[in-house]
Amino acid sequence: QLQLQESGSRLVKPSQTLSLTCAVSGVSITNDSYSWSWIRQPPGKGLEWIGYIYHIGSTYSNPSLGSRVTISLDRSRNQFSLELTSVTAADTAVYYCARDVLGGCIDFWAQGTLVTVSS
Amino acid sequence: DIILTQTPVSLAVTPGEPASISCTSSQSLRDGDDEKTYVDWHVQKPGQSPQLLIYTLSYRASGVPDRFSGSGSGTNFTLKISRVEAEDVGVYYCMQRLDFPLTFGGGTKMEIK
Repeated sequence: QLQLQESGSRLVKPSQTLSLTCAVSGVSITNDSYSWSWIRQPPGKGLEWIGYIYHIGSTYSNPSLGSRVTISLDRSRNQFSLELTSVTAADTAVYYCARDVLGGCIDFWAQGTLVTVSS
Repeated sequence: DIILTQTPVSLAVTPGEPASISCTSSQSLRDGDDEKTYVDWHVQKPGQSPQLLIYTLSYRASGVPDRFSGSGSGTNFTLKISRVEAEDVGVYYCMQRLDFPLTFGGGTKMEIK
C-alpha cells in the first residue's frame, strides 16, 4: 500500500531555507513508472505546483519560484526532498508531496504539512 | 503560463440533483502529437488532501463512482456529477498538465443544501 509522509521544519524564519522530506513506502522511488511532485496551498487559497523529479533524478520546477527550488532524491532512504531558499511570508503554505504516473497525472497526494514563515 | 478559470466559484446542490463545474483554459489542452487532452480533476474534501477524480479529460480514477464524468474539448471542460451525494462536499480543482508549469484552476466549492 502506497504511503507518502512529509517531514521537516514547520516554522522557518524569513530569508532562511525551507526543507521538507517525503518518505515513500509501498513503491520504490526509482520505479520508472513514476515521478514525484511537490505542490503547495497557501492558507485559504488554491493549489500551486512547485515541481517534480523523475526517477532518474531530472527535475522540472515552476519558473515563478526561480532558482530558489531544489528537488532531490535519496534512493537509499526511498524518499525525496524539497528545499526552498530565501523564504518570505508568502511561502507560508500547506506543502504536499505527491506521486505522478510518469507522463500522466498526480494519482496520490500525501496528507500535507503546514509550514509557517515567521520570525 | 496556462490559466484555468473555474465557474462557479461555489455552488450548493440538493442531494440527488445533478451538478456541473466548468473549467476554461487560456489555450487548448489538446496535445497535437497524441491527440489527448491533458486536463484532470481533483477534489479536496474538508480536512483532507486532494484526491484524483478524473484524468486525461474523461477517465475516472480507480474507485471513483460512475456518477462522476469529465468532458469537453479544446479550451472548455466540464465535470459533471449526475446525482450529488452528501459525501461529495468539497473543493473541486481542474488541472492542466499539457505544458510547464502545471497549473490549477482556482477551485469550486460545492456544498450540500
